[in-house]
Parts: sequence; C-alpha cells; structure tokens
Amino acid sequence: QVQLVQSGAEVKKPGASVKVSCKASGYTFTSYYIHWVRQAPGQGLEWMGIIKPSGGSTGYAQKFQGRVTMTRDTSTSTVYMDLSSLRSEDTAVYYCARSLELNRNSGVDVWGQGTTVTVSS
Amino acid sequence: SYELTQPPSVSVSPGQTARITCSGDALPKRYPYWYQQKSGQAPVLVIYEDSKRPSGIPERFSGSSSGTMATLTISGAQVEDEADYYCYSTDNSGNLWVFGGGTKLTVL
Repeated sequence: QVQLVQSGAEVKKPGASVKVSCKASGYTFTSYYIHWVRQAPGQGLEWMGIIKPSGGSTGYAQKFQGRVTMTRDTSTSTVYMDLSSLRSEDTAVYYCARSLELNRNSGVDVWGQGTTVTVSS
Repeated sequence: SYELTQPPSVSVSPGQTARITCSGDALPKRYPYWYQQKSGQAPVLVIYEDSKRPSGIPERFSGSSSGTMATLTISGAQVEDEADYYCYSTDNSGNLWVFGGGTKLTVL
C-alpha cells in the first residue's frame, strides 16, 4: 500500500539545523509531488513547501525562504526537509504528504505519520 | 500573501447538517481540498477538487464551490465527525499553497 514513513523525533538547540526524512513506498516515487506541512502545538496546519521528485524542483513558502531546503534521493525514494537557524517557534510536528497526481496544483491525499521537532535550550 | 478564511468554530447537534465555509480570492480558479484532523492524528482528505470524495469517506461528506467561497457540508453529522477541518488551496499563480485557519466542529 502507499505509504510515507518519516524519521523519528528530534530535539534541537536554538540555532541548530534539523533534517527530516520521508521515505515513500507502494507507488512510483517520481510520479507525484511531495508537500511539507507543519503544525505547532495547538495551532493550525502551515504549508512549508513542495518538491517534485522527478527533477528535484522546489517551491517554498516565503516565510521559510532562506532557511528551508528540500531535496530528494530517487535511489531510495526518500525526500528530505532541512530547516536551519532553528528557534523555539519552530517546535512543531512536521508532515510530508503526497499529491493526488503529478500536478503542482494538485492537493495531497497520503500523509506521513509526522515528526516532532522540539527546539529548546 | 494569499489567505483562506474559515470560521473558527461550528457547532451542531447529532443528525443536523454542518456547513463549514472557506473563502479566498483564487477559489474561482483553484480547487479547494478539505481535510479532517482529529486530535493527535495526521490529517485525512475528505473532499478534493471541489466536490469529489475519496474512497472510504462517508457519503454524508460533500463539497461545493461558488465564486470565492467553498463549502464543506456534513449531512447528518455524527459524534465521530467532531474534529478540526481545514481547506487547502493555491494562490492565483499556482505556486504557493495555503491552509485556511481551521474550523473546530463540535457535534453534541
């Protein structure tokens, strides 16, 4: 079955970086976009950016420009989200999610289980 | 920046119809997607491309759009439908995605 499995929880100090992975299985990795979404405690969902696994092209929310990098490894069907210069406000659950079709304007249907990132001194 | 606006909360009694709205300037051109999120869980897609329902989603969930407003309707809401609901769509350029602020549905 289609599945996205994310890496485990992370605890980081302010100023550090975190890299979250999202391993896809059960479908052709390069045929769908991957979105990254985060949710701070008690808050709503927030879109961070998108990556096209077939070519690696990306698009980021303005809020995260300069701090986020999304990459992929087609040999392992894994996408990565790297967030730098962490601050306490980055404490959140981070999700990857797959698009319904190979279209940048397509929403998502399959979600990873989420990765909790805690930023604390 | 682009915004999608949802009411913070909607409350209905079991069996009643719940309607959750989402307004955004690009919605006449861009499809809305609706997600249900229960506490501590990942979101679940309940409606896509205005009004399509994924397999496994009960028929009581439906969607519609008119102009700059999209509506998620739950006909005969059940206690198990209590959750946060989010709309999701792109801006006019299609480059940026955004979530609505979320609507907490209470069924009691």
